[in-house]
Amino acid sequence: EAGVVQSPRYKIIEKKQPVAFWCNPISGHNTLYWYRQNLGQGPELLIRYENEEAVDDSQLPKDRFSAERLKGVDSTLKIQPAELGDSAVYLCASSLAIWTEQETQYFGPGTRLLVL
Amino acid sequence: AQKITQTQPGMFVQEKEAVTLDCTYDTSDPSYGLFWYKQPSSGEMIFLIYQGSYDQQNATEGRYSLNFQKARKSANLVISASQLGDSAMYFCAMREEGSNDYKLSFGAGTTVTVRA
Repeated sequence: EAGVVQSPRYKIIEKKQPVAFWCNPISGHNTLYWYRQNLGQGPELLIRYENEEAVDDSQLPKDRFSAERLKGVDSTLKIQPAELGDSAVYLCASSLAIWTEQETQYFGPGTRLLVL
Repeated sequence: AQKITQTQPGMFVQEKEAVTLDCTYDTSDPSYGLFWYKQPSSGEMIFLIYQGSYDQQNATEGRYSLNFQKARKSANLVISASQLGDSAMYFCAMREEGSNDYKLSFGAGTTVTVRA
């Protein structure tokens, strides 16, 4: 079974440029998460989707970040314009829509973003 | 307040020996789950093991076991018979059922280096 797929794996851009990341979750997983991981730290949640609905976007900087999950499968996270502080690894994860503390999230390989 | 604390930034272990990674957590929720993930240099977060707050026995998965001490709020990961491929960053994470946001709160991680 294929895992969570993300692209691109690496991205280098200049500040003020836009950038987009793509995620394809594990087949059958209705819940999708975007996390940001700064260097030397654990991941922090940006947004969570249940099917196509964003049910938790409280940590998403909405002035420059946007996300969508059309048709409840693939998702795209966009930053426009990018700032130097956005340099990080952006991780996508998915899980079955079982609302218990046992729900395991499976992560993709991440996109390493460097803003110059 | 920090929900997950990992006090060991880095550890060295000899091949074939066991290593214990510390994790303490803070929650007032009676129902929660604790997870350990491995993150090799490739960047992907790999799920290792899960422990539920109501589980009576410590979780085990192959060479991984979780030393769960509920009264002390600790959930240490034990890796037995270390292999060179175990060299990676290890993250402890918690999910509180009562939070309704279903996000994982991660610690800062512990880097493990296995020596031949």
